[in-house]
Amino acid sequence: GGIITQTPKFLIGQEGQKLTLKCQQNFNHDTMYWYRQDSGKGLRLIYYSITENDLQKGDLSEGYDASREKKSSFSLTVTSAQKNEMAVFLCASSMNNNNQAPLFGEGTRLSVL
Amino acid sequence: GDSVIQMQGQVTLSENDFLFINCTYSTTGYPTLFWYVQYSGEGPQLLLQVTTANNKGSSRGFEATYDKGTTSFHLQKTSVQEIDSAVYYCAMRDRYGGSGNKLIFGTGTLLSVKP
Repeated sequence: GGIITQTPKFLIGQEGQKLTLKCQQNFNHDTMYWYRQDSGKGLRLIYYSITENDLQKGDLSEGYDASREKKSSFSLTVTSAQKNEMAVFLCASSMNNNNQAPLFGEGTRLSVL
Repeated sequence: GDSVIQMQGQVTLSENDFLFINCTYSTTGYPTLFWYVQYSGEGPQLLLQVTTANNKGSSRGFEATYDKGTTSFHLQKTSVQEIDSAVYYCAMRDRYGGSGNKLIFGTGTLLSVKP
């Protein structure tokens, strides 16, 4: 079976630091997504990509960059970490055009000191 | 704008109680609707989905009916168990997602089941 692997699982950063989160999937899915999860706010879309080298902004893209280097990988960069920020970043993937429910990784937990 | 509303932030039940988690959506047309479940320390996983209006989806004893009249997709289970303790997210397919299946999520409902 396939798997979505997010690295690292835990990330501790300093205020102002640039931080990169990575995601790999071996389902051969077309689309990959990055969601941010905050307590009481649900999941909010940061970026998604429907194919290699494609990039689409979600509702929460400000303060982030993303890169779809190849079909199987999608990375997210926090351009300048905010002090006391705590959130979980979830990567997901799915096929296109068939209402397939996205599958999620286990998340990267970010804490900024 | 398009949205998914879950009014209950937290639900606490005892084992064998009846579960009802409220979900309503706002959009044009008839989007595919989903329920995801997230156990502690894990990513969300699909619980069930329904593509066609007025159909019912079911999985692991959970049920949800796509009611286009009331624009609702409430989640129910007759008898909850302690292992059902988790966060439950209602979601719908974003009609502006193009060929990608991006979803709009509700804020989630934390279910705690006491033994």
